[in-house]
Amino acid sequence: NAGVTQTPKFQVLKTGQSMTLQCAQDMNHEYMSWYRQDPGMGLRLIHYSVGAGITDQGEVPNGYNVSRSTTEDFPLRLLSAAPSQTSVYFCASSSRERLPRNEQFFGPGTRLTVL
Amino acid sequence: DAKTTQPNSMESNEEEPVHLPCNHSTISGTDYIHWYRQLPSQGPEYVIHGLTSNVNNRMASLAIAEDRKSSTLILHRATLRDAAVYYCILHNYNQGGKLIFGQGTELSVKP
Repeated sequence: NAGVTQTPKFQVLKTGQSMTLQCAQDMNHEYMSWYRQDPGMGLRLIHYSVGAGITDQGEVPNGYNVSRSTTEDFPLRLLSAAPSQTSVYFCASSSRERLPRNEQFFGPGTRLTVL
Repeated sequence: DAKTTQPNSMESNEEEPVHLPCNHSTISGTDYIHWYRQLPSQGPEYVIHGLTSNVNNRMASLAIAEDRKSSTLILHRATLRDAAVYYCILHNYNQGGKLIFGQGTELSVKP
């Protein structure tokens, strides 16, 4: 199993550009989440999904869109990038069957810089 | 979501035990206590979780106070590879897979 994969690893955008961060998992997990981590800070939840077709907002959803058309993929779209979105983005997945253990598996992260 | 409080940083010597405290005075009866750690330049990884009883696994032990308002993650013999940020997180079954992270404790290990 590849686990949770994220692409790209690094990205530089100009203010106002849009892009999609990709996240995929091959563990057939129902739950998937997107987090951002600013320098020296903990992770903050952006959006999460409990299954294909179902998404919900987290702590800091503004400026981001998500959709979940398949169990495997959970892309994060930046609509109009702003310097405040410069951060490291982590995708994670976990299995509903394994609750309450709720072991989340994290991807390697995407380091995004917005100029 | 119930809140946790952890020290910002702690230091340990290699091969000595480390006790990482966490306060969660507003914990509800159905909240599980989870610990994750984040090694430098990596995503977080699961360490351990518990509800009421103390728990042990190959990575660590979790000691939970009788009133559940605090807990302690115990690394029995710290190694240089244990240097990381350790997060104490409360998770309720009804939250599904959602985790809310706090600031965590940055653990440094001296040789």
